[in-house]
Amino acid sequence: QSLLTQPPSVSAAPGQRITISCSGSSSNIGDNYVSWYQHVPGTAPKLLIYDNNKRPSGISDRFSASKSGTSATLAITGLQTGDEADYYCGTWDSSLNGAWVFGGGTKLTVL
Amino acid sequence: DVQLAESGGGLVQPAGSLRLSCIASGFTFSAYWMTWVRQAPGKGLEAVAQIKQDGSKEHYVDSVKGRFTISRDNAKKTLYLQMDSLRVEDTGVYYCARAWGEEVATEHDLWGQGTLVTVSP
Repeated sequence: QSLLTQPPSVSAAPGQRITISCSGSSSNIGDNYVSWYQHVPGTAPKLLIYDNNKRPSGISDRFSASKSGTSATLAITGLQTGDEADYYCGTWDSSLNGAWVFGGGTKLTVL
Repeated sequence: DVQLAESGGGLVQPAGSLRLSCIASGFTFSAYWMTWVRQAPGKGLEAVAQIKQDGSKEHYVDSVKGRFTISRDNAKKTLYLQMDSLRVEDTGVYYCARAWGEEVATEHDLWGQGTLVTVSP
């Protein structure tokens, strides 16, 4: 059971907008930056968002994110079939000795 | 090219050992946190272990504490994961990843292609 809770799946039609939530606590999301990753199994995960809401160079502006308190949200607009993947939030958890943690992942299906 | 390349995966029996390696190229390896991340079959990403730039701090997920050891050789630009007392549930693809940050790791912006570890009788 991950310290960060994400919905297991989300689906929508091409062109639509979806959001993926990531719920944590004061020792992780509440105290540290959140990043988001796109992963197609069998390939290397890709960084989509860092520092809660910043996009690395080369990442489409269709991807955006926000953080409020102990929760974070990833939004994808103008869905494309190529967006089908698993999406993970991640952050540092400051409890005990500390460690990096990922959410359980959300499978996005573009219908 | 800026890249990470894992090696050392394979088939091992329960209670056995494996040592994974991750060679970095194209960037200043000693300037970054490094993390081993695994994905078990049908499961999500799990950060197994992280190590600070100078090796002075190591962090582990509870399920591998006392069995796995992360280390690095900055002169050789190589990250290691010594895995002992392996269990069937350690099976999965193991990725090494580069992370930014100073006192704690932050975003992981560079990933290897992964190496498969299979623990089976």
